[in-house]
Amino acid sequence: DVKVTQSSRYLVKRTGEKVFLECVQDMDHENMFWYRQDPGLGLRLIYFSYDVKMKEKGDIPEGYSVSREKKERFSLILESASTNQTSMYLCAEGSGSDEQFFGPGTRLTVL
Amino acid sequence: DQQVKQNSPSLSVQEGRISILNCDYTNSMFDYFLWYKKYPAEGPTFLISISSIKDKNEDGRFTVFLNKSAKHLSLHIVPSQPGDSAVYFCAASGVQGAQKLVFGQGTRLTINP
Repeated sequence: DVKVTQSSRYLVKRTGEKVFLECVQDMDHENMFWYRQDPGLGLRLIYFSYDVKMKEKGDIPEGYSVSREKKERFSLILESASTNQTSMYLCAEGSGSDEQFFGPGTRLTVL
Repeated sequence: DQQVKQNSPSLSVQEGRISILNCDYTNSMFDYFLWYKKYPAEGPTFLISISSIKDKNEDGRFTVFLNKSAKHLSLHIVPSQPGDSAVYFCAASGVQGAQKLVFGQGTRLTINP
């Protein structure tokens, strides 16, 4: 079974803090993704990566960066958290097909 | 610009009846479509998919229909069960295997006993 784990289920941070969200997959797949889910907006792609040290912007990359130093780990970084980044963050991974497998999500609240 | 749209935010269906969830898309380059199901506090799980070369794909109680000329797809669940209560997202991909998915807003399905 594919397993995608995310470092925290719930996180509360203050405005201006630097926030790291970690995602680890155990399937040795190349592709990894970060989304945010907001009511009425569905899932929106923030960043994705097709290989180690490789990253591409998704639809809403502003205010975020990513890091992929190892194949199994894809980190999302909020350089200076703001209240409009309060959201559910979902990490996903995939192989060559279009299916993506998601982690349980991190509910981030920025105060 | 919302390229994949689910115009019904919510749907309520009696247990045992058919649930029909709808999805429209605007980009004619999309050629692969997927449905995901999401329970609260969990990540989405893949449910069923369909390639643009087909107009129907069936897996047990779940059937997805694709109408390319109308740029419309639908997910049928029959018979509906209480465990089907969840948020359903449709998603589309432009090039099969490229893996960049565009998601709709989601429809919350509630199955009433």
